[in-house]
Amino acid sequence: AQSVTQLGSHVSVSEGALVLLRCNYSSSVPPYLFWYVQYPNQGLQLLLKYTSAATLVKGINGFEAEFKKSETSFHLTKPSAHMSDAAEYFCAVSVDSGGYQKVTFGIGTKLQVIP
Amino acid sequence: DTEVTQTPKHLVMGMTNKKSLKCEQHMGHRAMYWYKQKAKKPPELMFVYSYEKLSINESVPSRFSPECPNSSLLNLHLHALQPEDSALYLCASSQDRSGANYGYTFGSGTRLTVV
Repeated sequence: AQSVTQLGSHVSVSEGALVLLRCNYSSSVPPYLFWYVQYPNQGLQLLLKYTSAATLVKGINGFEAEFKKSETSFHLTKPSAHMSDAAEYFCAVSVDSGGYQKVTFGIGTKLQVIP
Repeated sequence: DTEVTQTPKHLVMGMTNKKSLKCEQHMGHRAMYWYKQKAKKPPELMFVYSYEKLSINESVPSRFSPECPNSSLLNLHLHALQPEDSALYLCASSQDRSGANYGYTFGSGTRLTVV
């Protein structure tokens, strides 16, 4: 069975500082990995996805993530935090499960950006 | 049109009421999903429709009844709900059920309160 673990349910960074949100996955088959962002009282928006084409994936809003198979990690980074980045971030894994792509979300990391 | 539209945005209902949530997309996606999200938790899959047919029911109580009248519409009929069913209900779509590997498009959700 596949799963994702997000380390740190809350992360605080200063405006302009590096953002690093951690995600480790567990999967018996090559996974598809995603990062989603959720603003308060909103749905989830896809930030970026790993589908085996390239290990360094660039997404929207200046975010990127690197797939590291040896570390089973898919951490999300942004060089310089902006106030508008404050939101909940979910890592997710999608694995074929009997012809159906089962998507499992991590518990989420709430990012706070301090002015 | 690259959106998933959910109505209503907010709904308050009594435990004896019958109500419906509506989800609409015009992206030509053939897989549609209902998720339930409790506060400070990740989304949990409820139902998957693939080509207008119910593919997955994640052991959801019968007081939740999904319906897919056509390829653009997805409804969730609610009856005799309990206060613990209060949550954000999210609709999502993908190109098809293997397209979940390329990410979902989520609606902004319906905030349901059962009194």
